[in-house]
Amino acid sequence: DQQVKQNSPSLSVQEGRISILNCDYTNSMFDYFLWYKKYPAEGPTFLISISSIKDKNEDGRFTVFLNKSAKHLSLHIVPSQPGDSAVYFCAAHDRGSTLGRLYFGRGTQLTVWP
Amino acid sequence: NAGVTQTPKFQVLKTGQSMTLQCAQDMNHEYMSWYRQDPGMGLRLIHYSVGAGITDQGEVPNGYNVSRSTTEDFPLRLLSAAPSQTSVYFCASRRSNNQPQHFGDGTRLSIL
Repeated sequence: DQQVKQNSPSLSVQEGRISILNCDYTNSMFDYFLWYKKYPAEGPTFLISISSIKDKNEDGRFTVFLNKSAKHLSLHIVPSQPGDSAVYFCAAHDRGSTLGRLYFGRGTQLTVWP
Repeated sequence: NAGVTQTPKFQVLKTGQSMTLQCAQDMNHEYMSWYRQDPGMGLRLIHYSVGAGITDQGEVPNGYNVSRSTTEDFPLRLLSAAPSQTSVYFCASRRSNNQPQHFGDGTRLSIL
């Protein structure tokens, strides 16, 4: 039973345009959400996070939006660059849980073409 | 600062062989985890630990054992390798529940 879902396995965007990656979750106890980026033959690297007390967090070209009522978050990349081509994983967890387990989506392959 | 170090990077095993995937972190992180990544399946949690001497199962623990005798090390053991365990394995660590995880570069394991 997937608690974090990324329904688009792939996304193709032209350089300079906006990339929007989506993520849905089912567990209302989740209060901390993260995005990771993964290049081939490397481990995932942390990109940006958001707490459930916020609805937006921005870091340079990357912005994450959280809609708690819809249990939905999205990652916006503006402007997209070819170096952004990677697999993006959405993750979530309940910080009140002592076990601290992190739940991942299946990832979205972003391709940014020139 | 080495971060999370996984060894080996690549390994080929025969069915029934055993081996240990090593993971070490030098950041004094309490939380450590093992994941496997398979095509179209994302990152699935195998086992995790919230401190030395404390481990628990994730969503796909069968066929794997772990132990955590020190803060730094979190080895993953395959007692009798099966072809279904062919995958890329990632180890990760984080300081606390409020911090993002740091991942190693992975071990690519093939079981013939």
